[in-house]
Amino acid sequence: ILNVEQSPQSLHVQEGDSTNFTCSFPSSNFYALHWYRWETAKSPEALFVMTLNGDEKKKGRISATLNTKEGYSYLYIKGSQPEDSATYLCAFNNAGNMLTFGGGTRLMVKP
Amino acid sequence: NAGVTQTPKFRVLKTGQSMTLLCAQDMNHEYMYWYRQDPGMGLRLIHYSVGEGTTAKGEVPDGYNVSRLKKQNFLLGLESAAPSQTSVYFCASSYGGLYNEQFFGPGTRLTVL
Repeated sequence: ILNVEQSPQSLHVQEGDSTNFTCSFPSSNFYALHWYRWETAKSPEALFVMTLNGDEKKKGRISATLNTKEGYSYLYIKGSQPEDSATYLCAFNNAGNMLTFGGGTRLMVKP
Repeated sequence: NAGVTQTPKFRVLKTGQSMTLLCAQDMNHEYMYWYRQDPGMGLRLIHYSVGEGTTAKGEVPDGYNVSRLKKQNFLLGLESAAPSQTSVYFCASSYGGLYNEQFFGPGTRLTVL
């Protein structure tokens, strides 16, 4: 069983704040790192799939970076809005057909 | 496109009863997955399929069986439900495996008494 850890577990920020959280994964046999956004009462939706060391991806105010050599990825949200409130999941793939998910970071943005 | 759909949305079973959860996707995806989500834990893979007629075990396969007779459908069966199988079950599909995002269904909330 692979160990994929996310920190912090939960985070409260004010509207307009920028924030970031971390996903740590095994640095050996890396194939892909996924980020998903999961709103309450909905299904997880993909944000990014990252495959190369040094990858940076961006979607609107959300961006992610990847360091496969040291085994971590950061997700950044610039100018958080209440609609960004959700649980953010990362998932690691090490060449099998399976994703191993972290426990998620629950973000709450106060208006 | 309906995407990924799951039937039923909710179900309550008694210990020892059996049931089948249905997942359907209309995106012509090859790969399909069944996960369970429990409080305080991330999504855990139960079984998956890389194509019609194929299935494989995931991280927590015990107590479950699956079938993929048609490309668009992936069935999850519980032969003799136990309280430990109370969970929210999510189905997902993807075009390929390693580098492709997964599309999730709305989930099935199962309670075993």
